[in-house]
Amino acid sequence: AQSVSQHNHHVILSEAASLELGCNYSYGGTVNLFWYVQYPGQHLQLLLKYFSGDPLVKGIKGFEAEFIKSKFSFNLRKPSVQWSDTAEYFCAVNPQYSGAGSYQLTFGKGTKLSVIP
Amino acid sequence: NAGVTQTPKFRILKIGQSMTLQCTQDMNHNYMYWYRQDPGMGLKLIYYSVGAGITDKGEVPNGYNVSRSTTEDFPLRLELAAPSQTSVYFCASSYAPRTGQVGEQFFGPGTRLTVL
Repeated sequence: AQSVSQHNHHVILSEAASLELGCNYSYGGTVNLFWYVQYPGQHLQLLLKYFSGDPLVKGIKGFEAEFIKSKFSFNLRKPSVQWSDTAEYFCAVNPQYSGAGSYQLTFGKGTKLSVIP
Repeated sequence: NAGVTQTPKFRILKIGQSMTLQCTQDMNHNYMYWYRQDPGMGLKLIYYSVGAGITDKGEVPNGYNVSRSTTEDFPLRLELAAPSQTSVYFCASSYAPRTGQVGEQFFGPGTRLTVL
């Protein structure tokens, strides 16, 4: 079974600091990749996704992520965080099996981001 | 366009009771999912469905059942509730950009369930 690793459990940053959250997955084939955000007390919302093409994808609210196939990674970045970015961030992977797809997403355990004003 | 709706928002059950969590989507998505979210554990897939009449187990199906009689509705049934089922439950739906692929998942607001 595939797994998704988010190495940072809790990240604390000051406003205007740069952010990078790590995500690694275990599946060796073709994958679709997602980052979701969950603001306090709310449900998950999509930040960005990668299906194919340019490995650097841009999402909402100034977030971007880079797919590095050789490293099985899809790290999330933002050059300057704001207090409103305080949330939990989840990486998710949809593996594409040869001959058939997969209907499931596998989620990482999440990284809590706290931004101090 | 309401997206994905879930009821109830909160519920407290006694051990051994049963209940159904309701989920409805109005986006005509074929794929629907039930997850549970526990602190520090991310989301675990309970059951999913790729269309009306078709359901399959996810990672943690024990103690739960589902049905999918229409495209819109995907209720989750808890039989004989146990304290281990205390969690936040999210329903989600998704389109299929290509056969066998999962597009963006749209989540409902969640149901917070406590079993005492």
